[in-house]
Amino acid sequence: EPEVTQTPSHQVTQMGQEVILRCVPISNHLYFYWYRQILGQKVEFLVSFYNNEISEKSEIFDDQFSVERPDGSNFTLKIRSTKLEDSAMYFCASIGTGTGYTFGSGTRLTVV
Amino acid sequence: KNEVEQSPQNLTAQEGEFITINCSYSVGISALHWLQQHPGGGIVSLFMLSSGKKKHGRLIATINIQEKHSSLHITASHPRDSAVYICAAQKTSYDKVIFGPGTSLSVIP
Repeated sequence: EPEVTQTPSHQVTQMGQEVILRCVPISNHLYFYWYRQILGQKVEFLVSFYNNEISEKSEIFDDQFSVERPDGSNFTLKIRSTKLEDSAMYFCASIGTGTGYTFGSGTRLTVV
Repeated sequence: KNEVEQSPQNLTAQEGEFITINCSYSVGISALHWLQQHPGGGIVSLFMLSSGKKKHGRLIATINIQEKHSSLHITASHPRDSAVYICAAQKTSYDKVIFGPGTSLSVIP
């Protein structure tokens, strides 16, 4: 069964550093999403992406965050200057025509 | 007010018991998702429902659109079913999903 692949599975970074989280959505999917889950809390929507542009973003998705699809296969989330409160599990998801959501296995980001 | 609510928050069951997890939502939806999250953190999609009932193995999901309510049932529960079960609402096709708080299930041998 096709999968959404996320790398790395765990990243530790110093506060103030930039991080890039990578996702490879299912190849024929057109809609892409990033969600995050702070430990002990529910999953929250960050951003949706379609046709090479952001279609919706949440209040969490401020100027520190950016997304892009640099090469037609990868879908990346960049955090420019990480803060302690950015520590969370980040999930990528994608949808294709007539299919349901497929979630990646997540990247656990720890900011120290 | 949370748009997606679940009950119970925590559930402990003996192996073999029939389990029900409930979800209520306050928004109009095109689909309702049931998801499973194991301690490692990854999310697995169990069901996507827009009406009626779906069954997969020992799992059954139902939805009542008029009452804005869905249930996830697990028959003959097993310790490997121990996980967090999450209900999530999708307002329109290709829209983001709005997650519920999750129900933590522990099945004891």
